[in-house]
Amino acid sequence: EDQVTQSPEALRLQEGESSSLNCSYTVSGLRGLFWYRQDPGKGPEFLFTLYSAGEEKEKERLKATLTKKESFLHITAPKPEDSATYLCAVQARWDNYGQNFVFGPGTRLSVLP
Amino acid sequence: SQTIHQWPATLVQPVGSPLSLECTVEGTSNPNLYWYRQAAGRGLQLLFYSVGIGQISSEVPQNLSASRPQDRQFILSSKKLLLSDSGFYLCAWRYGAGDEQFFGPGTRLTVL
Repeated sequence: EDQVTQSPEALRLQEGESSSLNCSYTVSGLRGLFWYRQDPGKGPEFLFTLYSAGEEKEKERLKATLTKKESFLHITAPKPEDSATYLCAVQARWDNYGQNFVFGPGTRLSVLP
Repeated sequence: SQTIHQWPATLVQPVGSPLSLECTVEGTSNPNLYWYRQAAGRGLQLLFYSVGIGQISSEVPQNLSASRPQDRQFILSSKKLLLSDSGFYLCAWRYGAGDEQFFGPGTRLTVL
């Protein structure tokens, strides 16, 4: 069974204090791994797609990396506006219609000024 | 650019009442459409998906149903709500040939 776990469950950082969020997964052949940001009471906002081990994607203060078993979301010099829940999801290679996105429970990030 | 709308934003309904949540997508054609439910502290759970008009696949047996009467319209319904139907309902879309899913703003449903 495909599974996604995320750690830590919650993370508090001071503004400017860099850190990483972890997404560990098991999937029967990875098609893609996805990172989303979700603000309270809002729908998830797409951030990155990663397809193969060694791949990296960057957007502003965020960088996502992928290995064969896990992905990291690195946050460099975070600002209070980076506070949100970060969700990770995986899609298996056989999933042609997107009907098997498996989401993790998320990491709730708080960045204090 | 593409936009996805959901309404209502919030809804409070008594147990046993009917439900209709609507989702529409603008700026694209023939998208794949999805209904998810998000419970507090848990990952998103896929309820239904559709690859075309009138084509609905159900992932979780429940008292909910979905319909796609038009290419860019997706509706989630129930004849009689249960307390356990409370939650945050999200509609999502993706390009037919793409992988990423893009989410709407969500509907917060409270069943009393």
